Amino acid sequence: AQSVSQHNHHVILSEAASLELGCNYSYGGTVNLFWYVQYPGQHLQLLLKYFSGDPLVKGIKGFEAEFIKSKFSFNLRKPSVQWSDTAEYFCAVNALSNYQLIWGAGTKLIIKP
Amino acid sequence: DVKVTQSSRYLVKRTGEKVFLECVQDMDHENMFWYRQDPGLGLRLIYFSYDVKMKEKGDIPEGYSVSREKKERFSLILESASTNQTSMYLCASSAGTSGTQETQYFGPGTRLLVL
Repeated sequence: AQSVSQHNHHVILSEAASLELGCNYSYGGTVNLFWYVQYPGQHLQLLLKYFSGDPLVKGIKGFEAEFIKSKFSFNLRKPSVQWSDTAEYFCAVNALSNYQLIWGAGTKLIIKP
Repeated sequence: DVKVTQSSRYLVKRTGEKVFLECVQDMDHENMFWYRQDPGLGLRLIYFSYDVKMKEKGDIPEGYSVSREKKERFSLILESASTNQTSMYLCASSAGTSGTQETQYFGPGTRLLVL
């Protein structure tokens, strides 16, 4: 069965630190990849997505993610985090054979001011 | 902007009660989804619908049913609530025009407590 693994459940960083959140998936075929974010008290919303082309994808608020097919990975990065990036981040994968998104367990990111 | 609304933010119900969770989207989206979100488990799909009166089981449909009588409205029904259904329930919709590349748009969630 397809699965998505997020390596860290909780990450605590200081402002201005660099961020990398890991995401690996198990599906061997062609996939679409997503990162969603849930800020405290807000709806889950799309941060960025990849479906073809340049494997380095840029999203909102300075986030980017790199698709490495050989490693089945889609890690999320930001060079310098801000206190307002405190949120829960979810990686999700959609295999091209169906509409269902397979979700990772989420990573709670806390940025210390 | 897409707006997905859910009928309640918080609900407290007793074991055995029938529970209705309502979701409405205002963007004429074809697809609608019900998830439950539990700490450490991410989002798990309960049911989804790709058209009026059409539904498909997700990963955890047991103990739930759904209804989609109108395009904009997708209801989740807990036939006989149990304590292990205490959770956050999220509704989402997507356009249905771009296949598997589509963004899903989420409602604010309903936090259900079953006593």
